[in-house]
Amino acid sequence: QVQLQESGPGLVKPSETLSLTCTVSGGSISSYYWSWIRQPAGKGLEWIGRIYTSGSTNYNPSLKSRVTMSVDTSKNQFSLKLSSVTAADTAVYYCARDLSYSSSSHFDYWGQGTLVTVSS
Amino acid sequence: DIQMTQSPSSLSASVGDRVTITCRASQSISSYLNWYQQKPGKAPKLLIYAASSLQSGVPSRFSGSGSGTDFTLTISSLQPEDFATYYCQQSYSTSCTFGQGTKLEIK
Repeated sequence: QVQLQESGPGLVKPSETLSLTCTVSGGSISSYYWSWIRQPAGKGLEWIGRIYTSGSTNYNPSLKSRVTMSVDTSKNQFSLKLSSVTAADTAVYYCARDLSYSSSSHFDYWGQGTLVTVSS
Repeated sequence: DIQMTQSPSSLSASVGDRVTITCRASQSISSYLNWYQQKPGKAPKLLIYAASSLQSGVPSRFSGSGSGTDFTLTISSLQPEDFATYYCQQSYSTSCTFGQGTKLEIK
């Protein structure tokens, strides 16, 4: 059973960079896409971006200028960096496996989520 | 961006009821439509992918249909554990988007 676990600071100051890591266990990180998705309190889901294990990335156009994702296959981990954060970036951040093939693309495994608060 | 609009935004129903939630895309997305269930404080759970394929382990009372721009999620006989928020998601474009959610509450 694949499991994902987010880790990183729960509090980030405005204008600084949010950094999170997702550790995958119970299966290999290789040959899949891996996504980050966030959810402000009481609101809906927003896809941030995804990375393939080759390092190829796709980002949400609305966040693209501030997002960087990376992958470390030796550690079965992938990471998110979001720069120049503001209070609007306060949310629960989820990592998820993005199962993509010719007829579908969907998030079949999710981490439990980690709350990141942007505040001084 | 492809906009996803769910209706209704909230719904009250009773155990045993048949419930249908609708999702409309701002342009055709073929069958690249997924449904998730989210309970408070938990991560979303995949229910239906590719518009009508039931994810492994999901009860058969959940079903999905549609293609193009109009899609539905149907729960044939509501169970107590089904009261949650439901989201549709399009994966037609690389930049996927979610509907705003439908909160299903107990009547």
